[in-house]
Order: sequence, then C-alpha cells, then structure tokens
Amino acid sequence: QLQLQESGPGLVKPSETLSLTCTVSGGSIGSTRYYWGWIRQPPGKGLEWIGSLYYSGSTHYNPSLKSRVTLSLDTSKNQFSLKLTSVTAADTAVFYCARSTTSPYGDFDYWGQGTLVTVSS
Amino acid sequence: EIVLTQSPDFQSVTPKEKVTITCRASQSIGSSLYWYQQKPDQSPKLLIRFGYQSFSGVPSRFSGSGSGTDFTLTINSLEAEDAATYYCQQSSSFPPTFGGGTKVEIK
Repeated sequence: QLQLQESGPGLVKPSETLSLTCTVSGGSIGSTRYYWGWIRQPPGKGLEWIGSLYYSGSTHYNPSLKSRVTLSLDTSKNQFSLKLTSVTAADTAVFYCARSTTSPYGDFDYWGQGTLVTVSS
Repeated sequence: EIVLTQSPDFQSVTPKEKVTITCRASQSIGSSLYWYQQKPDQSPKLLIRFGYQSFSGVPSRFSGSGSGTDFTLTINSLEAEDAATYYCQQSSSFPPTFGGGTKVEIK
C-alpha cells in the first residue's frame, strides 16, 4: 500500500528557509500516472494547496506562494521536496505531502501524516 | 481564484441521523469537486471524487451530489466514528482551493 512520510526540521527561524522531504513507499514517484503535491494547514485553520509536481519535473505553484516556493524530486530516492524561503510566523503550519491522480490540482487520494513546522526565533 | 463556501460551519448530530453539508463555488466548476474527512490530529482522507464518486473503501453511508456551483455531501445514518471536519476542494480552476470546513460533532 502506498505510504507517504514527511520529514524535516520542526522549528525554523524567521527569514530562513523551510525544507521538507516526502518519502514515498509502496509506489514510484516516477510513475506517469500521478502527481505529487504539498498542502499546508495552519493550526486550527483550513487547508491551503502549496504546489504540485510531476515525474518529469514540471511544477505548479500557488500564486500566493510562488515567489518563495521550490518543489523538486529525486526519483533515485523516491522522494520529493519542498523549500519555502523567507518564512514568517504566518508560515507556521502542519505540512502534508499527498498524491493526486487526475491532475496536479487534485484529487489527493493518499496523504502523509503531516509534520508541524513552527516558525519562531 | 474560486472561493468555496461550506455550510454549516458546525453541526451537532445524534447517531443514526442524516447529515447534509453543502459546498457552494463562486463560479461553475463542473464536477471537479472532492470531499475529504479530517479527524483530529489526522491527515485528510478522500471520500468523494468528481462530486459523486465514492473513493475506494469509503462506507456507503457517504454520498455526494451536485455540479456547477452547488454540491452536497450526505452522511446517511451517522456513526460515532464520523465525528470529524469535512472539507470540499475544487480542481477546475487554478489554483485549487478548499472550503473552510464543516465540523461534525456527535451529540
């Protein structure tokens, strides 16, 4: 069964770069059938799509974050990654990685458990 | 950006009752609407695809309907394990967006 697992620092200082990795098991991120995305959820709030990427490396970013976000993948490790620069307290959130099947924009059928990233000095 | 408005924000329901949650889009999204269930401290789980298709393994008491701008998630005969927040999401228009969520509490 497909599993996704986020990893990375739980605490990031303001103005620094948040870096997270999603490790996929039970399936290949090199598949042409799927897209891989990141979604975040500030504590007690709703969900926000950050961006998605395809096995070819093509990327799609939320315009609200586009200037600060970079997604990449490493097929040799079956991982994909998120970098968010110049973070502020407003970026504190649980970050989820997820798979989508029909397009880069959803539907997200498998999700990681999520990792809380706090932005604080 | 398409705004998805869910109603109600909160619902307290007795077991075996029927629950209806609506999601209204600020413009037509065809059938590109998904429903997710998120229990406390868990990641969202996909329930319904394309407005009405049940995702694999989802109990039959969950159903979806609608197209265009108005969509409904129905939970027939609510069970205690259905206590959660439910979100709709659209993929018709870039960027994809989520509704604000509907919290369902068991009385």
